[in-house]
Amino acid sequence: SQTIHQWPATLVQPVGSPLSLECTVEGTSNPNLYWYRQAAGRGLQLLFYSVGIGQISSEVPQNLSASRPQDRQFILSSKKLLLSDSGFYLCAWSPRSSSTDTQYFGPGTRLTVL
Amino acid sequence: AQTVTQSQPEMSVQEAETVTLSCTYDTSESDYYLFWYKQPPSRQMILVIRQEAYKQQNATENRFSVNFQKAAKSFSLKISDSQLGDAAMYFCAYPLAGGTSYGKLTFGQGTILTVHP
Repeated sequence: SQTIHQWPATLVQPVGSPLSLECTVEGTSNPNLYWYRQAAGRGLQLLFYSVGIGQISSEVPQNLSASRPQDRQFILSSKKLLLSDSGFYLCAWSPRSSSTDTQYFGPGTRLTVL
Repeated sequence: AQTVTQSQPEMSVQEAETVTLSCTYDTSESDYYLFWYKQPPSRQMILVIRQEAYKQQNATENRFSVNFQKAAKSFSLKISDSQLGDAAMYFCAYPLAGGTSYGKLTFGQGTILTVHP
């Protein structure tokens, strides 16, 4: 069966510090991968998605970047965090060959920027 | 722009009773999937149920069922025999259209469901 991991679970960082959040998927190959942000416990905003190694598409211009160095690894980064980067970050995956567009989510990372 | 609207920010239900959460969406596509996800206090998003648009039969998963009205672009979630563990935020979601959408989902703003013992 497939599982998705995210770490760290919780992170408190000062403004201006760098960020690296990691997401890995097990039990599948060639997944589509997604990063979402959820602010204030409400709707999810798609930040990045990836259909393959090194292939990243950005949905929203911002202070963040994403990379996919391996097939099942997706990293969210920032060189200098802003207060507005605080939120709950969710990674998700979907099967490449799926026709249903179903996405499966990781446990999330709660980021607080002080 | 494609949108998903959940008009009920909060709902409450007594344990063992039935509650319906509303969702409407806007699309010009003819074949697509619709989803309800649950986000409990742990905040992990859990797939509750999925409906394929070209199927007339409403999807059912145990105590969860949908009322899919394609012409009205309405996709409501019915929870029967509500349990305390059903308390969560519920999101309706719809994939963005287009051949290069790669399954990108648009989410509604969510409905917070409270279950009273």
